[in-house]
Amino acid sequence: DTEVTQTPKHLVMGMTNKKSLKCEQHMGHRAMYWYKQKAKKPPELMFVYSYEKLSINESVPSRFSPECPNSSLLNLHLHALQPEDSALYLCASSQVQASPQHFGDGTRLSIL
Amino acid sequence: DAKTTQPTSMDCAEGRAANLPCNHSTISGNEYVYWYRQIHSQGPQYIIHGLKNNETNEMASLIITEDRKSSTLILPHATLRDTAVYYCIVNAGNNRKLIWGLGTSLAVNP
Repeated sequence: DTEVTQTPKHLVMGMTNKKSLKCEQHMGHRAMYWYKQKAKKPPELMFVYSYEKLSINESVPSRFSPECPNSSLLNLHLHALQPEDSALYLCASSQVQASPQHFGDGTRLSIL
Repeated sequence: DAKTTQPTSMDCAEGRAANLPCNHSTISGNEYVYWYRQIHSQGPQYIIHGLKNNETNEMASLIITEDRKSSTLILPHATLRDTAVYYCIVNAGNNRKLIWGLGTSLAVNP
């Protein structure tokens, strides 16, 4: 069982849709992360939040918009995605930014 | 940023020790070595990390060479549930980003 919960587990959307991915942790962690993972590749860091402030944006296209409403929640808003954005999106959290990360099981996103 | 090199795949018999090597010859003095694994259809799982000294926890042991240019993750008694992709990672820079390598796909066979 994972302590980082991601919803939904699967999402299929068209290129004109707007959707959001959600991530929740109740371990009191103050750093949260979004990663993108393509098949048979390692995870690629997208965003890092530290104490609810955006700490790192790895030059991610603006069609991906992160949000950290509070210390337990992390959202990823999606708009006008491309087929190449189909991937597994992983959320992680850690006590602080330099600590070991705990991952959710991801949202598998398919863009039609 | 330091990079890591790992074998693409390895096999291990159930009950035997699995020794997974990693090369990180460009590692800097303040960069830690982390190991994570990813079982199929799951998110990555933290295993262990270290800076200079060898480390052990309930999952594994981490042996780091004195020059810190390589390390070995040891699973002392591998089980079928240890079949996974194992990533050797160094963190980088003040932001402590994890720089992921391509990983080793470990197959534990009965």
